[in-house]
Amino acid sequence: QLQLQESGPGLVRPSETLSLICNVSDDSVSSTRYYWGWIRQAPGTGPEWIGSVYYSGTTHFNPSLKSRVTMSVDATKKQVSLKLMSVTAADTAVYFCGRQPIDCSASRCYIFDSWGQGTLVTVSS
Amino acid sequence: DIQMTQSPSFVSASVGDRVTITCQANQGISIWLAWYQQKPGKAPKVLIYGASTLESGVPSRFSGSGSGTHFTLTISSLQPEDSATYYCQQTNRFPLAFGGGTKVDIK
Repeated sequence: QLQLQESGPGLVRPSETLSLICNVSDDSVSSTRYYWGWIRQAPGTGPEWIGSVYYSGTTHFNPSLKSRVTMSVDATKKQVSLKLMSVTAADTAVYFCGRQPIDCSASRCYIFDSWGQGTLVTVSS
Repeated sequence: DIQMTQSPSFVSASVGDRVTITCQANQGISIWLAWYQQKPGKAPKVLIYGASTLESGVPSRFSGSGSGTHFTLTISSLQPEDSATYYCQQTNRFPLAFGGGTKVDIK
């Protein structure tokens, strides 16, 4: 059973960079079969897709965040990383990582079929 | 970019009732739509993908339908454990997008 675990600081100062790691329990992080996505959810709101990264480094980002986001995969460490620069209070949210199959033959492509438990990040001075 | 709109935002129903939630895309996405269930403090869990395919292990009282721009999630006989918030997500192409959610409450 795949397990995903987000980690990182729970408090980030305004204008600084939010950095999170998603630890993946198996070697699927380097598989050609998946994208790895980040999603956030501010209190009382729906999920917001931040972006997705492929093992090769190909990325897709939410246009509203694109100028501030980077993502990468480290296959040797079985980790997916997220960096969000120049944060403000509006970036306060629970951040989730998730696995996304890319095989569209079974209509499962780009769903989030496994999720981490999420980590709360608060932006405050 | 594709935007997803759900309705209603809240529904209150009794155990055994049939509940229908609607999700609309602002442009055609064929059948590339997934539904998720989220309970407080937990990550969302996928229920349906490809608009109508039930994820393994999901009870058969959940069903999905639709294509193009209009989709529905139906709970045929509401159970107490179905109290949750439900979200749709378009999986047609990047950038991905979720709907705003529908909270289902048990009377």
